[in-house]
Amino acid sequence: EVQLVESGGGLVQPGRSLRLSCTASGFTFGDYAMSWVRQAPGKGLEWVGFIRSKAYGGTTEYAASVKGRFTISRDDSKSIAYLQMNSLKTEDTAVYYCTRVLGDIVATYDYWGQGTLVTVSS
Amino acid sequence: SSELTQDPAVSVALGQTVRITCQGDSLRSYYASWYQQKPGQAPVLVIYGKNNRPSGIPDRFSGSSSGNTASLTITGAQAEDEADYYCNSRDSSGNHLGVVFGGGTKLTVL
Repeated sequence: EVQLVESGGGLVQPGRSLRLSCTASGFTFGDYAMSWVRQAPGKGLEWVGFIRSKAYGGTTEYAASVKGRFTISRDDSKSIAYLQMNSLKTEDTAVYYCTRVLGDIVATYDYWGQGTLVTVSS
Repeated sequence: SSELTQDPAVSVALGQTVRITCQGDSLRSYYASWYQQKPGQAPVLVIYGKNNRPSGIPDRFSGSSSGNTASLTITGAQAEDEADYYCNSRDSSGNHLGVVFGGGTKLTVL
């Protein structure tokens, strides 16, 4: 059974940093691209970014709203994807979901974690 | 970045057919994927590609596309289909390597 479990969320002050983790199980993690999607309270889904598998260079892409502040990385030996969030703003407050990318269809996410809440507030 | 536009709310009588639409320039180049989200839960993929359903998704869910519009159709809507539905696709604008989501449609089953 495929499982994605996010962790690392919490309350953080504006300007500070936070790192989220996504621990995967039930599939060969290294074979898949992984993506992060967020949802502000009461709002819709927003794509944050993704990281390709090592077979495709392990490169990353980001939404304009987070580019330069957020970094996605992966540790295939541990089956973990990370989202490093720096210079956090109040508008980054959201539930952050880790997702598995279906094959090479970068916009199709076939498995989602339960999400972890990040609250940016002073 | 590109935008995907969805109607904020749609309603359907129990057992009837409902179509939820998603409009955007990126859909001229890329297929949409559709996600169902119930309150307090993570989204679930229901349709992707031309008209593909993941395992476990009932066949009353189907997808189609024409021009700049993608549609999710539920034939014979059930009470458990009441949820928010989101479309997404590749971004065909400047950030053509990125992804864009629609604003979501709240489906009410009457």
